[in-house]
Amino acid sequence: QVHLVQSGAEVKKPGASVTVSCKTSGFNISHYSINWVRQAPGRGLDWVGWISDGNVFPQFSLNFRDRLTITWDAPTATAYMDLRSLTSEDTAIYYCARGISASVSTHFDHWGQGTLVSVSS
Amino acid sequence: VVLTQSPGTLSLSPGEGATLFCRASQGIGGTSVAWYQQKRGQAPRLLIYGAATRATGIPDRFSGSGSGTDFTLTISSLEPEDSAMYYCQQYGNIPLTFGGGTNVGI
Repeated sequence: QVHLVQSGAEVKKPGASVTVSCKTSGFNISHYSINWVRQAPGRGLDWVGWISDGNVFPQFSLNFRDRLTITWDAPTATAYMDLRSLTSEDTAIYYCARGISASVSTHFDHWGQGTLVSVSS
Repeated sequence: VVLTQSPGTLSLSPGEGATLFCRASQGIGGTSVAWYQQKRGQAPRLLIYGAATRATGIPDRFSGSGSGTDFTLTISSLEPEDSAMYYCQQYGNIPLTFGGGTNVGI
Protein backbone atom coordinates (compact mmCIF):
# COMPACT_ATOMS: atom_id res chain seq x y z
CA GLN A 1 0.00 0.00 0.00
CA VAL A 2 1.11 3.52 -0.80
CA HIS A 3 1.67 5.75 2.21
CA LEU A 4 2.95 9.30 2.61
CA VAL A 5 3.42 10.31 6.25
CA GLN A 6 4.32 13.89 7.05
CA SER A 7 6.01 15.48 10.04
CA GLY A 8 4.03 17.31 12.70
CA ALA A 9 2.72 20.85 12.99
CA GLU A 10 5.17 23.74 13.27
CA VAL A 11 4.92 27.20 14.80
CA LYS A 12 7.47 29.72 13.55
CA LYS A 13 8.23 33.39 13.87
CA PRO A 14 8.49 35.68 10.84
CA GLY A 15 11.88 35.42 9.18
CA ALA A 16 12.50 31.88 10.40
CA SER A 17 12.78 28.71 8.33
CA VAL A 18 10.77 25.50 8.44
CA THR A 19 11.44 21.95 7.29
CA VAL A 20 8.60 19.56 6.54
CA SER A 21 9.29 15.90 5.84
CA CYS A 22 7.26 13.32 3.89
CA LYS A 23 8.19 9.68 4.45
CA THR A 24 7.00 7.44 1.64
CA SER A 25 6.44 3.71 1.40
CA GLY A 26 4.79 1.17 -0.86
CA PHE A 27 6.20 2.34 -4.18
CA ASN A 28 9.42 2.92 -6.13
CA ILE A 29 10.11 6.63 -6.57
CA SER A 30 11.87 6.03 -9.89
CA HIS A 31 8.48 5.84 -11.63
CA TYR A 32 6.87 8.72 -9.75
CA SER A 33 7.49 12.15 -8.30
CA ILE A 34 6.85 13.91 -5.02
CA ASN A 35 5.09 17.24 -5.11
CA TRP A 36 4.32 19.83 -2.46
CA VAL A 37 0.97 21.63 -2.42
CA ARG A 38 -0.12 24.18 0.12
CA GLN A 39 -3.49 25.43 1.29
CA ALA A 40 -3.83 28.67 3.25
CA PRO A 41 -6.68 28.80 5.81
CA GLY A 42 -10.02 28.85 4.02
CA ARG A 43 -8.32 29.01 0.62
CA GLY A 44 -7.71 26.76 -2.35
CA LEU A 45 -4.78 24.60 -3.40
CA ASP A 46 -1.47 26.05 -4.56
CA TRP A 47 1.31 23.98 -6.16
CA VAL A 48 4.68 24.61 -4.49
CA GLY A 49 7.20 22.33 -6.20
CA TRP A 50 8.26 18.91 -7.51
CA ILE A 51 11.10 16.46 -7.24
CA SER A 52 11.79 13.01 -8.63
CA ASP A 53 14.48 10.47 -7.83
CA GLY A 54 17.78 11.22 -9.54
CA ASN A 55 16.68 14.67 -10.67
CA VAL A 56 19.02 17.21 -9.12
CA PHE A 57 17.02 20.18 -10.31
CA PRO A 58 13.63 20.22 -8.61
CA GLN A 59 10.97 22.39 -10.18
CA PHE A 60 9.35 25.16 -8.16
CA SER A 61 6.51 27.59 -8.48
CA LEU A 62 8.00 31.02 -9.20
CA ASN A 63 6.25 32.30 -6.07
CA PHE A 64 8.68 30.31 -3.93
CA ARG A 65 11.78 29.91 -6.08
CA ASP A 66 14.21 31.97 -4.00
CA ARG A 67 13.07 30.68 -0.61
CA LEU A 68 12.47 27.00 -1.26
CA THR A 69 14.58 23.86 -1.26
CA ILE A 70 13.12 20.44 -2.04
CA THR A 71 15.23 17.33 -1.57
CA TRP A 72 14.86 13.56 -1.76
CA ASP A 73 16.70 11.18 0.56
CA ALA A 74 16.81 7.85 -1.22
CA PRO A 75 17.93 5.60 1.69
CA THR A 76 14.94 6.64 3.81
CA ALA A 77 12.54 7.32 0.90
CA THR A 78 11.77 10.70 2.43
CA ALA A 79 11.16 14.03 0.74
CA TYR A 80 11.94 17.32 2.48
CA MET A 81 10.67 20.82 1.89
CA ASP A 82 12.64 23.72 3.37
CA LEU A 83 11.02 27.15 3.24
CA ARG A 84 13.02 30.20 4.38
CA SER A 85 12.25 33.81 5.31
CA LEU A 86 8.75 32.93 6.48
CA THR A 87 5.99 35.54 6.60
CA SER A 88 2.44 35.33 7.89
CA GLU A 89 1.34 34.63 4.31
CA ASP A 90 3.14 31.28 4.51
CA THR A 91 0.71 30.11 7.18
CA ALA A 92 -0.92 27.09 5.56
CA ILE A 93 -1.31 23.34 5.52
CA TYR A 94 1.47 21.86 3.41
CA TYR A 95 0.72 18.57 1.68
CA CYS A 96 3.08 16.20 -0.05
CA ALA A 97 1.49 14.28 -2.90
CA ARG A 98 2.68 11.53 -5.20
CA GLY A 99 2.79 12.46 -8.87
CA ILE A 100 1.77 9.59 -11.10
CA SER A 101 4.75 10.07 -13.36
CA ALA A 102 8.37 11.10 -12.98
CA SER A 103 7.60 14.10 -15.17
CA VAL A 104 6.74 17.45 -13.65
CA SER A 105 3.58 17.46 -15.79
CA THR A 106 1.62 15.27 -13.46
CA HIS A 107 -1.44 14.88 -11.33
CA PHE A 108 -1.52 13.45 -7.82
CA ASP A 109 -2.94 10.09 -6.79
CA HIS A 110 -1.89 9.80 -3.15
CA TRP A 111 -1.55 12.55 -0.56
CA GLY A 112 0.04 12.93 2.84
CA GLN A 113 -2.06 13.94 5.81
CA GLY A 114 -0.84 17.54 5.70
CA THR A 115 1.38 19.60 7.99
CA LEU A 116 0.14 22.87 9.46
CA VAL A 117 2.78 25.59 9.45
CA SER A 118 1.79 28.64 11.47
CA VAL A 119 3.82 31.84 11.21
CA SER A 120 3.17 34.42 13.87
CA SER A 121 5.09 36.88 15.96
CA VAL B 1 -2.68 28.92 -16.84
CA VAL B 2 -5.49 30.34 -14.71
CA LEU B 3 -8.36 27.95 -14.02
CA THR B 4 -11.75 29.46 -13.24
CA GLN B 5 -14.31 27.19 -11.63
CA SER B 6 -18.04 27.79 -11.59
CA PRO B 7 -20.31 27.98 -9.86
CA GLY B 8 -18.64 28.90 -6.60
CA THR B 9 -21.30 27.13 -4.57
CA LEU B 10 -23.96 24.52 -5.29
CA SER B 11 -26.70 23.58 -2.87
CA LEU B 12 -28.56 20.46 -3.95
CA SER B 13 -30.60 17.55 -2.63
CA PRO B 14 -29.71 13.86 -2.54
CA GLY B 15 -30.45 12.18 -5.86
CA GLU B 16 -30.04 15.37 -7.88
CA GLY B 17 -27.32 15.80 -10.46
CA ALA B 18 -24.50 18.34 -10.33
CA THR B 19 -22.43 19.88 -13.11
CA LEU B 20 -19.21 21.67 -12.22
CA PHE B 21 -17.24 23.73 -14.73
CA CYS B 22 -13.56 24.52 -15.09
CA ARG B 23 -12.39 27.00 -17.73
CA ALA B 24 -8.71 27.54 -18.57
CA SER B 25 -7.24 30.89 -19.60
CA GLN B 26 -5.47 29.15 -22.48
CA GLY B 27 -5.62 25.78 -24.12
CA ILE B 28 -4.31 22.88 -22.06
CA GLY B 29 -2.21 20.31 -23.88
CA GLY B 30 -4.37 17.32 -24.68
CA THR B 31 -6.71 16.54 -21.82
CA SER B 32 -4.30 17.15 -18.94
CA VAL B 33 -6.92 18.01 -16.34
CA ALA B 34 -7.66 16.30 -13.05
CA TRP B 35 -10.45 16.74 -10.52
CA TYR B 36 -10.14 16.35 -6.76
CA GLN B 37 -12.62 16.12 -3.92
CA GLN B 38 -11.70 17.60 -0.56
CA LYS B 39 -13.79 17.15 2.55
CA ARG B 40 -13.36 19.41 5.57
CA GLY B 41 -10.22 18.57 7.50
CA GLN B 42 -8.99 16.03 4.95
CA ALA B 43 -6.44 15.89 2.18
CA PRO B 44 -7.73 16.07 -1.39
CA ARG B 45 -8.71 12.83 -3.14
CA LEU B 46 -8.19 12.22 -6.85
CA LEU B 47 -11.46 11.66 -8.70
CA ILE B 48 -10.71 12.10 -12.41
CA TYR B 49 -7.55 12.44 -14.52
CA GLY B 50 -6.97 12.86 -18.22
CA ALA B 51 -10.19 14.89 -18.15
CA ALA B 52 -12.38 11.77 -18.27
CA THR B 53 -10.74 8.76 -16.58
CA ARG B 54 -12.00 7.80 -13.15
CA ALA B 55 -9.33 7.10 -10.56
CA THR B 56 -9.22 3.75 -8.78
CA GLY B 57 -12.19 3.17 -6.51
CA ILE B 58 -14.19 6.22 -7.63
CA PRO B 59 -17.92 5.49 -8.10
CA ASP B 60 -19.28 5.70 -11.62
CA ARG B 61 -21.67 8.50 -10.67
CA PHE B 62 -18.60 10.76 -11.11
CA SER B 63 -17.68 11.53 -14.71
CA GLY B 64 -15.49 14.07 -16.46
CA SER B 65 -15.38 15.53 -19.94
CA GLY B 66 -13.88 18.34 -21.96
CA SER B 67 -10.81 19.40 -23.87
CA GLY B 68 -8.93 22.54 -24.82
CA THR B 69 -10.15 25.21 -22.42
CA ASP B 70 -13.46 23.87 -21.07
CA PHE B 71 -13.83 20.94 -18.72
CA THR B 72 -16.74 19.52 -16.75
CA LEU B 73 -17.20 17.27 -13.74
CA THR B 74 -20.63 15.67 -13.47
CA ILE B 75 -22.04 13.90 -10.45
CA SER B 76 -25.06 12.00 -11.70
CA SER B 77 -26.96 11.30 -8.49
CA LEU B 78 -25.72 13.06 -5.40
CA GLU B 79 -25.28 11.23 -2.14
CA PRO B 80 -24.85 12.94 1.25
CA GLU B 81 -21.17 11.96 1.38
CA ASP B 82 -20.54 13.98 -1.79
CA SER B 83 -20.69 17.21 0.23
CA ALA B 84 -17.22 18.67 -0.31
CA MET B 85 -15.06 21.14 -2.17
CA TYR B 86 -14.13 20.14 -5.70
CA TYR B 87 -11.00 21.41 -7.44
CA CYS B 88 -9.78 21.08 -11.00
CA GLN B 89 -6.05 21.00 -11.77
CA GLN B 90 -4.18 21.32 -15.05
CA TYR B 91 -0.90 19.58 -15.67
CA GLY B 92 -0.35 20.42 -19.31
CA ASN B 93 1.62 23.56 -18.50
CA ILE B 94 4.19 24.52 -15.86
CA PRO B 95 3.55 25.82 -13.25
CA LEU B 96 0.83 23.35 -12.34
CA THR B 97 -2.29 25.21 -11.27
CA PHE B 98 -5.58 24.57 -9.52
CA GLY B 99 -8.95 26.20 -9.86
CA GLY B 100 -10.47 28.11 -6.97
CA GLY B 101 -12.93 25.32 -6.18
CA THR B 102 -16.67 24.66 -6.13
CA ASN B 103 -18.37 24.05 -2.80
CA VAL B 104 -21.06 21.37 -3.14
CA GLY B 105 -23.49 21.23 -0.25
CA ILE B 106 -26.12 18.53 0.12
